[in-house]
Amino acid sequence: EPEVTQTPSHQVTQMGQEVILRCVPISNHLYFYWYRQILGQKVEFLVSFYNNEISEKSEIFDDQFSVERPDGSNFTLKIRSTKLEDSAMYFCASSEAFGAQYFGPGTRLLVL
Amino acid sequence: AQSVSQHNHHVILSEAASLELGCNYSYGGTVNLFWYVQYPGQHLQLLLKYFSGDPLVKGIKGFEAEFIKSKFSFNLRKPSVQWSDTAEYFCAVNAVMYSGGGADGLTFGKGTHLIIQP
Repeated sequence: EPEVTQTPSHQVTQMGQEVILRCVPISNHLYFYWYRQILGQKVEFLVSFYNNEISEKSEIFDDQFSVERPDGSNFTLKIRSTKLEDSAMYFCASSEAFGAQYFGPGTRLLVL
Repeated sequence: AQSVSQHNHHVILSEAASLELGCNYSYGGTVNLFWYVQYPGQHLQLLLKYFSGDPLVKGIKGFEAEFIKSKFSFNLRKPSVQWSDTAEYFCAVNAVMYSGGGADGLTFGKGTHLIIQP
């Protein structure tokens, strides 16, 4: 069964550093998403992406964040200058048109 | 904007007990409704979904959910739970976008931690 994959599984970084989280969506899916879950809190929507542009973004997704589909398989989330409060689990998801979203295993980001 | 409320944060049941987890949402328009499950150490997995049609939907592993539009509810049920159902359960909703084929990002509830005692 096709799955969404994410790398790395864990990332530790220093405050102010840039991080790039990578995702490989399910191959025939056209819609891609990023979510985050701060420890003990809800899963929160960050951004959705379709046809090489952002479809929707939440108020969390400020100028520090960016997304890109650099090639035909990868979908990335970049945080330009990490803050302590960016420490969270970041989930990638993908879907077909009018379909349910399927999630990857997540990247646990720790900002020190 | 949508919001989702899950009434029970922790539920403890014995094996073979019946399960019902509550979920209510608030949104004025048409929504899609989902239940996801996260087993210990694993990622979010889709349990079942409702887009339209029969409000009683069946998912994997014997789970089902009923959409009651008048109550803005989408409660998850299972007639007889097993120890392997121990997990975190998340209700989620998104608004339907009729143009473009896509959908809003999901709004999640806080989750219900279900523990099944052998």
